[in-house]
Amino acid sequence: QKEVEQDPGPLSVPEGAIVSLNCTYSNSAFQYFMWYRQYSRKGPELLMYTYSSGNKEDGRFTAQVDKSSKYISLFIRDSQPSDSATYLCAMSGSTGGFKTIFGAGTRLFVKA
Amino acid sequence: SQTIHQWPATLVQPVGSPLSLECTVEGTSNPNLYWYRQAAGRGLQLLFYSVGIGQISSEVPQNLSASRPQDRQFILSSKKLLLSDSGFYLCAWSVDSYEQFFGPGTRLTVL
Repeated sequence: QKEVEQDPGPLSVPEGAIVSLNCTYSNSAFQYFMWYRQYSRKGPELLMYTYSSGNKEDGRFTAQVDKSSKYISLFIRDSQPSDSATYLCAMSGSTGGFKTIFGAGTRLFVKA
Repeated sequence: SQTIHQWPATLVQPVGSPLSLECTVEGTSNPNLYWYRQAAGRGLQLLFYSVGIGQISSEVPQNLSASRPQDRQFILSSKKLLLSDSGFYLCAWSVDSYEQFFGPGTRLTVL
């Protein structure tokens, strides 16, 4: 079993839809949960970060962490064509980047 | 502000040829440096990380090697490329943080 599981998609939605992206994990030591966004032929950029359980909202984006289920989600409201990208979940048990585990990434297409 | 550079952006190499990819970081001191490979549908695979000059840790056994000759310079090398070395190579840095900052990447095709 992989430490982090993420459906690679692709996921195609119409503009304005609510998008739900998810990851499951197996390591209960993970404390830092992140979502990176990667545009085609570019490096990933940090989009959202959550420590331990709970929700975090930033504009149209909401990150949720359920440690009891080992499940994390990213919601995008009022999706825009500019949101079309690959979204990678990532998690770590410490602030040391060398212990960060990335999901496979979900490719999202938002159609105008 | 901090900046990370990678070159070349794209590279096509024959099987058995050598490889050298370079990464440099500006605007920060003593960063942690990372080399990742990204293959379609497989996410980011950590290849090497370094916490200081000359300190390299390998995460995956392979025919690749890494070196850190200067504080903000990280080099990925191979003496003989394999077909399976094709992929998107990303360099990243961090400083005592969960967040990593990625470079623009190098797309390597081995023919």
